[in-house]
Amino acid sequence: DAGVTQSPTHLIKTRGQQVTLRCSPKSGHDTVSWYQQALGQGPQFIFQYYEEEERQRGNFPDRFSGHQYPNYSSELNVNALLLGDSALYLCASSSTGQGQETQYFGPGTRLLVL
Amino acid sequence: QKEVEQDPGPLSVPEGAIVSLNCTYSNSAFQYFMWYRQYSRKGPELLMYTYSSGNKEDGRFTAQVDKSSKYISLFIRDSQPSDSATYLCAMSVQGAQKLVFGQGTRLTINP
Repeated sequence: DAGVTQSPTHLIKTRGQQVTLRCSPKSGHDTVSWYQQALGQGPQFIFQYYEEEERQRGNFPDRFSGHQYPNYSSELNVNALLLGDSALYLCASSSTGQGQETQYFGPGTRLLVL
Repeated sequence: QKEVEQDPGPLSVPEGAIVSLNCTYSNSAFQYFMWYRQYSRKGPELLMYTYSSGNKEDGRFTAQVDKSSKYISLFIRDSQPSDSATYLCAMSVQGAQKLVFGQGTRLTINP
């Protein structure tokens, strides 16, 4: 049973560029959440997607946007990158029918903005 | 003040010791409490999941929730070097979507 997968594993961008990160949820899961984890900090909630719509959003600017596809996979897009966007970006999946509280995380995408 | 407070450590103990990790929180609406383990440069792995107050045991791990004190704990018995990792507490409101995490405690078990 494949767990949550994310691509790419690492990414280097320069300030002002745009980036797209991808996530495939665990088999049987239909809900995808995205988190940002700065070095030495706990993950911070960005937003969650269910039924191809953004259901809840954390305290992140509009530069952060997302999408969910009919197969439940998801993308996180960040525009106009800032140095402070350098972090580990985590995708977590869950199943709405089984309770949204149990979220399983992928390995993350490490983004470095120069 | 952060919603969830967790001592970042680092915490270093000898192999075989009992480890106690703790978090406090301010939002009384939290109903679901989780502990995740995160190895270096990896994603968090769900260890324990508890609803409301009480204790839950799974092998060498015990999770405790005291909602009256807004305090949760994770105990690790017979600690092993492979337990060396960062431990994150996380919480959510019933029916809510987002998890709120503590800062994480970095734990090292010395052989």
